[in-house]
Amino acid sequence: GENVEQHPSTLSVQEGDSAVIKCTYSDSASNYFPWYKQELGKRPQLIIDIRSNVGEKKDQRIAVTLNKTAKHFSLHITETQPEDSAVYFCAAPQGGSEKLVFGKGTKLTVNP
Amino acid sequence: GAVVSQHPSWVICKSGTSVKIECRSLDFQATTMFWYRQFPKQSLMLMATSNEGSKATYEQGVEKDKFLINHASLTLSTLTVTSAHPEDSSFYICSAHRGGTGSYNEQFFGPGTRLTVL
Repeated sequence: GENVEQHPSTLSVQEGDSAVIKCTYSDSASNYFPWYKQELGKRPQLIIDIRSNVGEKKDQRIAVTLNKTAKHFSLHITETQPEDSAVYFCAAPQGGSEKLVFGKGTKLTVNP
Repeated sequence: GAVVSQHPSWVICKSGTSVKIECRSLDFQATTMFWYRQFPKQSLMLMATSNEGSKATYEQGVEKDKFLINHASLTLSTLTVTSAHPEDSSFYICSAHRGGTGSYNEQFFGPGTRLTVL
């Protein structure tokens, strides 16, 4: 089955800096890679996703890149703001099903 | 679009009682919903997959008689924690899969239910 590894587990940056979170997956057939943001005590919110037919997708300050050959994908946040502080989870499909396998999460802290 | 509600948002109950949690997709039909459990500072742990009109599929190690799941319609799934004990205290989150052609595995989460068993 699919295995998703996420790094780093914690990340602290200064406001205005960029933040990068990386995930690797094991199933070469996986074709959909979402990123979720979860604030303390709240639901995970889908912030961006990428499908396997493209290598990069951007939405304002957030971008995701996908390297299918290396089986890894990354979340990039530019010009970070304190409200970006949260736990971010990557995910990949469990092969042949509608399930998602989640990474262990990255706690991002943006210091003012 | 893609709004999922969950009720109640929190519940406190006595040991031995049962608690029902509802998950609703408000603006789309969800043939598949998922139930997760999340411990503090940890990732989402999938408990079961809820399929409309059929039996739920449970992940390894999850007791199906303990966590009863019913998916009676395309917009509602319920999770009942039976004979709850303090170790069942956790944050329970549902998600709904928005199906259809080209939908991939998009899941949208409910706000979660904080269960505390005394």
